[in-house]
Amino acid sequence: GAVVSQHPSWVICKSGTSVKIECRSLDFQATTMFWYRQFPKQSLMLMATSNEGSKATYEQGVEKDKFLINHASLTLSTLTVTSAHPEDSSFYICSARTLPGNYYEQYFGPGTRLTVT
Amino acid sequence: AQKVTQAQTEISVVEKEDVTLDCVYETRDTTYYLFWYKQPPSGELVFLIRRNSFDEQNEISGRYSWNFQKSTSSFNFTITASQVVDSAVYFCALSEGVNSGTYKYIFGTGTRLKVLA
Repeated sequence: GAVVSQHPSWVICKSGTSVKIECRSLDFQATTMFWYRQFPKQSLMLMATSNEGSKATYEQGVEKDKFLINHASLTLSTLTVTSAHPEDSSFYICSARTLPGNYYEQYFGPGTRLTVT
Repeated sequence: AQKVTQAQTEISVVEKEDVTLDCVYETRDTTYYLFWYKQPPSGELVFLIRRNSFDEQNEISGRYSWNFQKSTSSFNFTITASQVVDSAVYFCALSEGVNSGTYKYIFGTGTRLKVLA
């Protein structure tokens, strides 16, 4: 149980275009989803927290207009990188949390590798 | 402030050696949770263990064991008789925020383990 998927697994896009990454909870309802970013050989950095039906809460230093997060249903959250640039190339990981249940634990997706050329 | 420190950036061992990965945390919460994750080259985080702040029992799972000591704010991870397949980056994480309800994860910087044949 508690499976989270991400689509696509990897994506290459041209500079200036937008790309959307989907995060789905497959066998549970996720009231809260988190988006992380990981640069090579670095740790995971939390970008934002999204609760179903409400606006995402972004961490300090994360541009909300550049990284658009939508959590429209209890099983789907999307991250759209707008006007992508090479410095946005990174590994993006989402996670989901169930309520009620293990409110303190997050279930992670397999990640999406974004390369901007 | 809450913090997770993994002082060992990279460790190399020869197969069959035992290896301990250190994790030291800081938190003001009395209720919190600690986790260890493995991140192989594929990038997907693999859950290894969860421990809450009220359970200081050490745990053993096959070749893996964990030592949780609140007195020293440490949650160390030992792999016995290491194998090449254990090569990965290992992250320690702290989930706190019982009072605020955020339950964000704070990740350590990770320890890259290389097991040589």
